[in-house]
Amino acid sequence: QKEVEQDPGPLSVPEGAIVSLNCTYSNSAFQYFMWYRQYSRKGPELLMYTYSSGNKEDGRFTAQVDKSSKYISLFIRDSQPSDSATYLCAMSGDYGQNFVFGPGTRLSVLP
Amino acid sequence: NAGVTQTPKFQVLKTGQSMTLQCAQDMNHNSMYWYRQDPGMGLRLIYYSASEGTTDKGEVPNGYNVSRLNKREFSLRLESAAPSQTSVYFCASSRRPRDTEAFFGQGTRLTVV
Repeated sequence: QKEVEQDPGPLSVPEGAIVSLNCTYSNSAFQYFMWYRQYSRKGPELLMYTYSSGNKEDGRFTAQVDKSSKYISLFIRDSQPSDSATYLCAMSGDYGQNFVFGPGTRLSVLP
Repeated sequence: NAGVTQTPKFQVLKTGQSMTLQCAQDMNHNSMYWYRQDPGMGLRLIYYSASEGTTDKGEVPNGYNVSRLNKREFSLRLESAAPSQTSVYFCASSRRPRDTEAFFGQGTRLTVV
């Protein structure tokens, strides 16, 4: 079993839809949970991060962490064609672990 | 402010050839990383340098070597390229080890034939 699992997609939605992207993980030591966005032929860039469980909102983006279920989500409201990208979850722990990345979900928002 | 700069952007190698991928950051970051990205595998850490003067193996170090030349520069060397090393390579940096935000370069697309 991979340490971090993510549905690779592709996921296609119409403009304005609510998008839900998810990751599951197996290592209970993870405390930091990040979402990176990667446009085609570019490097990833950090979108949001959360520490431990809970929700965090930034504009149209909401990150949720459920540590009891080892499940994290990224919600995109009012999705735009400019949101079309690959979304990578990443996580790390307090005690020396480097980031572990999920394989990414490719999202297409159709105008 | 260029951020993280990688050279070259594209490279084709023959099996057995060697090459060095260069990476430089201008953000005064302490930590630097080399990842490879393959379809369905996500980003996998090859080597990292927590601070100037130190380097450590990541998840997939076999077939690679690194040099932290100074605080700005971190190079990745393939001594004898193999087709299994065909990938997109990303260099990244962060202010400190395992910081929540890593800044990535544009990537180097390497094909080994």
